[in-house]
Parts: sequence; structure tokens; C-alpha cells
Amino acid sequence: GEDVEQSLFLSVREGDSSVINCTYTDSSSTYLYWYKQEPGAGLQLLTYIFSNMDMKQDQRLTVLLNKKDKHLSLRIADTQTGDSAIYFCAMGGAGNMLTFGGGTRLMVKP
Amino acid sequence: EAEVAQSPRYKITEKSQAVAFWCDPISGHATLYWYRQILGQGPELLVQFQDESVVDDSQLPKDRFSAERLKGVDSTLKIQPAELGDSAMYLCASSLGDRLAKNIQYFGAGTRLSVL
Repeated sequence: GEDVEQSLFLSVREGDSSVINCTYTDSSSTYLYWYKQEPGAGLQLLTYIFSNMDMKQDQRLTVLLNKKDKHLSLRIADTQTGDSAIYFCAMGGAGNMLTFGGGTRLMVKP
Repeated sequence: EAEVAQSPRYKITEKSQAVAFWCDPISGHATLYWYRQILGQGPELLVQFQDESVVDDSQLPKDRFSAERLKGVDSTLKIQPAELGDSAMYLCASSLGDRLAKNIQYFGAGTRLSVL
């Protein structure tokens, strides 16, 4: 089945850019998603990208998709302390099911 | 703004007891999902419903877990008997279920289960 990998932890200073990376094995996903999870809460959809796109920008968020390398990234510009959370990438597969990575914990230092 | 409702938010139980979680999806969403999220990991799909029918329950431990969505609206996930390894966050999500669309899944706040 699909295997989705993320680095565990990222620490940045407030105002810097954050880049969270994700690699996957199955290239058949039509949509790829980024979700945010704050402590004790459910998952909040941040953004998504269609598989035939290379880049999508949405305010402070930029998603880059490299299909050749099976690599997805999320860049957060001007990172704020409120961005501290766990970020999950997810692949949309057959039957509309999602396969999630293990999550990257982003810590933003003031 | 419409939300996916889940209850209870927290549940503490002893092993071998029965527990049940409830989910009310966003109105009009045909597809409902139950996920289990172990601490420090990403969510894993347990069961997926399309209306009242199970579409995928291949990862559901059927010897102790059951799920139903009798009228195609709200859903219940049950564990009987609970084991220590069942301690996790149980997340419910719903989506329109349109295969031609981006099928965004909206998540509830989850039920955190602790089995003692």
C-alpha cells in the first residue's frame, strides 16, 4: 500500500519561513492534502493540490509538488507562534480514502 | 459554519469493558469515515461508509470493533471488549463523497480513549 513519510520535528523562529516535507510511494493520488492539528483537536484542512499541478499558493502557504521525485512540500511564510502545531500530508487514493504521513511537529520560537 | 460533531470528547474505561463513540457528520455529506490516531502517529482509516453501506472496513478489527450508520446520517463506533492497546484518539470525518470532486474530508474534534 501507500507509504507516506515525514520528518518528525521542525523548529523555526517567528517571522522565518517554514518548509515541511513529505515523500510518498504511490503516484496514483489525484489530490494531495495538508492538514494541521493543534493539541487535543481534530484535523483542519489547510490546502490541497491537484496532481497535475506543480505549485499552489494560498496566502502565506505555498505547496510544491515534484511528481518525479514523489515529493510534496508545504512552505509557510512569515511563520507565527499560532502556526505551532502538527502538520500532516495526506494522499487521496482509490475510493476517496486518505493515507496520512506520521506528522511533523512545528515549533515556532518567539 | 457546519461541523462534524463527536461525543464524548474523552472516555476512560477499564480493559474488557464496552465503549461507544458517536459521530454526526456535516449535513448532506454522504461519506463518513472513522479513523484511529495513536499518539505520535497519523490517522489510520478504520471504516468508511457511503450512505448506510460499508465501503471499506479492511482495517477494522472485527473481533472487537463494530460500526454502523443505520439511517445513513450519524454513526456509532463500538469496541467490546476494550484492550489496553485501543488507547488512542478516534476521529470521525465526512465528505460529500463526489468521486469527481476533490472530496475534502472534514474532521471532528475526536474522542480520546484511555483504557486502564
